Amino acid sequence: DAKTTQPNSMESNEEEPVHLPCNHSTISGTDYIHWYRQLPSQGPEYVIHGLTSNVNNRMASLAIAEDRKSSTLILHRATLRDAAVYYCIRGSQGNLIFGKGTKLSVKP
Amino acid sequence: NAGVTQTPKFQVLKTGQSMTLQCAQDMNHNSMYWYRQDPGMGLRLIYYSASEGTTDKGEVPNGYNVSRLNKREFSLRLESAAPSQTSVYFCASSDSSGFWETQYFGPGTRLLVL
Repeated sequence: DAKTTQPNSMESNEEEPVHLPCNHSTISGTDYIHWYRQLPSQGPEYVIHGLTSNVNNRMASLAIAEDRKSSTLILHRATLRDAAVYYCIRGSQGNLIFGKGTKLSVKP
Repeated sequence: NAGVTQTPKFQVLKTGQSMTLQCAQDMNHNSMYWYRQDPGMGLRLIYYSASEGTTDKGEVPNGYNVSRLNKREFSLRLESAAPSQTSVYFCASSDSSGFWETQYFGPGTRLLVL
């Protein structure tokens, strides 16, 4: 199974950090881990990706377990605009294989 | 830059009708993709084009055809629409089809087949 496993939903308070987990226990050595998010009625938007090392960009951080069987997307300070469905995806052979994602709600 | 554009935004078809969904990108990307998204689900790949002149099937290609018209444009055709094809269709593009590449998505076309 090429899909990943994520919780269906999570809640966060505004301005607090959010840790979104993802399991990908059957990942192969060459598969990248991508995170995209989808705001209501919009197309998915790239967030971050990585292979083995932890990654940081202006939007988020990605922490990848040493065995690569799991990863965590970290939003350092959630805002109301971060409310979206977050997809953890294995990039395999150039194709992104989406699961159902985690719906993140942010409370003011 | 407009990024990835899709037309039309909305469409209603009757069963058996045909239509073409248009997609264009202005980022000079080599690879383009068509996905569908059913309610409450993630996206599923229909077809992709790794480079101009090539197309390949994705996870759910039945009932669809594609044309990579040039480097900028990638169209998706429904020859005989069925209610099961009611969905939101997203086009995406990336610089190449490598595992690491970021895909850029259009705003989607909402299709209802009656």
